[in-house]
Amino acid sequence: AQKVTQAQTESSVVEKEDVTLDCVYETRDTTYYLFWYKQPPSGELVFLIRRNSFDEQNEISGRYSWNFQKSTSSFNFTITASQVVDSAVYFCALRPGTYKYIFGTGTRLKVLA
Amino acid sequence: KAGVTQTPRYLIKTRGQQVTLSCSPISGHRSVSWYQQTPGQGLQFLFEYFSETQRNKGNFPGRFSGRQFSNSRSEMNVSTLELGDSALYLCASSATAFTDTQYFGPGTRLTVL
Repeated sequence: AQKVTQAQTESSVVEKEDVTLDCVYETRDTTYYLFWYKQPPSGELVFLIRRNSFDEQNEISGRYSWNFQKSTSSFNFTITASQVVDSAVYFCALRPGTYKYIFGTGTRLKVLA
Repeated sequence: KAGVTQTPRYLIKTRGQQVTLSCSPISGHRSVSWYQQTPGQGLQFLFEYFSETQRNKGNFPGRFSGRQFSNSRSEMNVSTLELGDSALYLCASSATAFTDTQYFGPGTRLTVL
């Protein structure tokens, strides 16, 4: 089965706190791609990062970092020193092989001032 | 480079009518995918086109159809609208069909009365 699970439906943090959004995936393919997208209230999904299954190196981009662990089939996303503008719904997605994208149900992040 | 554009942005229709939504991909992108997003079902894949051919199709009734033109622009059509078709319809484009990142447009919000 191909599946993406984002167990956290919502997460609330106070500004400047760190927050981690969890993503667990299932696939039998050895070649696959993982993504994170941000959906602000305007509705457009904004691409954040892409990882392929052969690259387990963690990535940091400014206040954003991603931890990819094949052993636990997880691809977690951490925002350091969160800001109110980070409030959005965040989606994790999997593309196994040449199959269609599979999105998780999303985590709504609220950053309180 | 201009992003993905979708027209119209908002649409109100009544049950039984049909609707056509349009998507213009990023210049040079040849693959277009369509998604339906509702609060209850989340992001659901409709179909994917590459070089005017449908490559993947989601689990939607035949009332939902699409096509892609030689300039990579795509349209999706929903016939005999039902109340449950009210949703945000998102279009995404990627350079090629398989491994490239999808970039999303702002969506068309369809309301069926």
